[in-house]
Amino acid sequence: GGIITQTPKFLIGQEGQKLTLKCQQNFNHDTMYWYRQDSGKGLRLIYYSITENDLQKGDLSEGYDASREKKSSFSLTVTSAQKNEMAVFLCASSISSSGNTLYFGEGSRLIVV
Amino acid sequence: GQQVQQSPPASLVLQEGENAELQCTYSTTLNSMQWFYQRPGGRLVSLLYSPSWAEQRGGRLTSSAASNESRSSLHISSSQITDSGTYLCAMVRNSNNRIFFGDGTQLVVKP
Repeated sequence: GGIITQTPKFLIGQEGQKLTLKCQQNFNHDTMYWYRQDSGKGLRLIYYSITENDLQKGDLSEGYDASREKKSSFSLTVTSAQKNEMAVFLCASSISSSGNTLYFGEGSRLIVV
Repeated sequence: GQQVQQSPPASLVLQEGENAELQCTYSTTLNSMQWFYQRPGGRLVSLLYSPSWAEQRGGRLTSSAASNESRSSLHISSSQITDSGTYLCAMVRNSNNRIFFGDGTQLVVKP
């Protein structure tokens, strides 16, 4: 079976710093997603990508950049970390964007000091 | 506003062996739904995926949906302590295949 690996598991940075999260999948899935999960809340979509080099904004894209340079990897950059965006960031993938089942990574927790 | 509403909101406490029913209601036309499970600090794991609104079964879990009622349910029979965790539903919108998540229901099963 496949797996989605997110690094780092914990990302600690200072306010205003640019920070990058990475995600790798070996499912050979076309579509990848970045979600943000705040405590006690559902998931909000930041960016998604339906194929290599494609980027689509989600509901929460302001303050973030993303990059899909390879089919297997999708990175997310927090352009200027703020204390009110400490949350867990979840990467997911699916075969395509047509409503297929999602597979998730274990998450990366952002801590801003 | 929120596209997907889950109930019970926040949390549900049961005694071991009781049955649980969790529900999602949604506010747009959808073409599929999926239920996920998450332990504290753990990854979201897909429980059941229903691309055609048919009833889905997996062990003690059953999902049923009524697209004309804008509602989906997850039934957990004979709950066990290890079922404790957060259950989230996700709905896929027909028009653009965007996925919307509910806020989740935390299930606590006590001995």
